[in-house]
Amino acid sequence: QQPVQSPQAVILREGEDAVINCSSSKALYSVHWYRQKHGEAPVFLMILLKGGEQKGHEKISASFNEKKQQSSLYLTASQLSYSGTYFCGTERKGFGNEKLTFGTGTRLTIIP
Amino acid sequence: DTGVSQNPRHKITKRGQNVTFRCDPISEHNRLYWYRQTLGQGPEFLTYFQNEAQLEKSRLLSDRFSAERPKGSFSTLEIQRTEQGDSAMYLCASSPSWYEQYFGPGTRLTVT
Repeated sequence: QQPVQSPQAVILREGEDAVINCSSSKALYSVHWYRQKHGEAPVFLMILLKGGEQKGHEKISASFNEKKQQSSLYLTASQLSYSGTYFCGTERKGFGNEKLTFGTGTRLTIIP
Repeated sequence: DTGVSQNPRHKITKRGQNVTFRCDPISEHNRLYWYRQTLGQGPEFLTYFQNEAQLEKSRLLSDRFSAERPKGSFSTLEIQRTEQGDSAMYLCASSPSWYEQYFGPGTRLTVT
């Protein structure tokens, strides 16, 4: 079942903060976050696992509420390069990087 | 680092024809994934390989879609008897580990 993301779109001025949410009705093992710029492939940002482990490449923070099956991605002091569509991908099986079900995305636009 | 490559980048075909796409993962990545993405949607999981073994596949691959990864290197995705609803971007991703996927540029399929 596809996770639900909110908001669907957000416009920020450079330097402002944003929170993107991802919610599932099913018990999750991990949540993955990717960013996709227009016409490009998705790029990995972060993974959050049940139990608290996290791995990520950029200075972006996120949380995973296991009881509520929700994850939030926090974008602070946004830069123009943060523009793009953010997808959360959820995994239920518990083996790590297995079948991911992606949400419909949150389109983020950063303006100068 | 050559990245994940996909060929062809664009494919236009007539309804009813068969098409085959190729994905070359990053060398030594043992995991390989196929996704389909339509405009405004997140990637939709199609199938997943670990080395040459196909470990997971969606219901879409039970009929006209088939994928192979001989010798655990490149992979091919074939769509038989294409339909207009098959028009989409087909993404391939590879991974060396349990948490990060590297996506290729995709093959855009247009069925006329």
